[in-house]
Amino acid sequence: DAGVIQSPRHEVTEMGQEVTLRCKPISGHDYLFWYRQTMMRGLELLIYFNNNVPIDDSGMPEDRFSAKMPNASFSTLKIQPSEPRDSAVYFCASTLGQGWDQPQHFGDGTRLSIL
Amino acid sequence: AQKVTQAQTEISVVEKEDVTLDCVYETRDTTYYLFWYKQPPSGELVFLIRRNSFDEQNEISGRYSWNFQKSTSSFNFTITASQVVDSAVYFCALSSSNTGKLIFGQGTTLQVKP
Repeated sequence: DAGVIQSPRHEVTEMGQEVTLRCKPISGHDYLFWYRQTMMRGLELLIYFNNNVPIDDSGMPEDRFSAKMPNASFSTLKIQPSEPRDSAVYFCASTLGQGWDQPQHFGDGTRLSIL
Repeated sequence: AQKVTQAQTEISVVEKEDVTLDCVYETRDTTYYLFWYKQPPSGELVFLIRRNSFDEQNEISGRYSWNFQKSTSSFNFTITASQVVDSAVYFCALSSSNTGKLIFGQGTTLQVKP
């Protein structure tokens, strides 16, 4: 079975550019999560969706960050404009059930570098 | 507030040694789940185990075992006869219905030397 698929795996761009990260959850999973991992802050939840609806975006750091889930099989995380401090590994995860009681299945992550 | 503490930042052992990774959690919820994830050098996050707050039975899976003690709010992870392939960052995490979120500890980096 296909796992969570993220693209791109690596992204290097210059400050000020728009960055779009993509995620395809596991088919049938109704919860989708976006995380950011940095050395300083560890793994942080940015936002999560249930049935394509954003439930909690309190972890989104600034208005420069936005996330959408237009359908059950696709989500995007956008940063516009990007800044060097946004450099991190961004993970997407999906799960079933109530979201909090089941293991989350993670993608391989997108390593983002903002120069 | 919910919190997960992994006090051991880095652990280094020699192959075949046993090693225990500590995890202490804080929550006021009575129903919650605890998880362990492994992040090998390749970077992906791999689910290892889930335990709910009503099940304090210890679990063993091959060389891995987990000890859940509500009295001390701990969910420790032991690797028996460690191998080089066990080298990774290990995360303990907590979730509950009240938050709906998975809260991760800071992770413990385990290095197993040949």
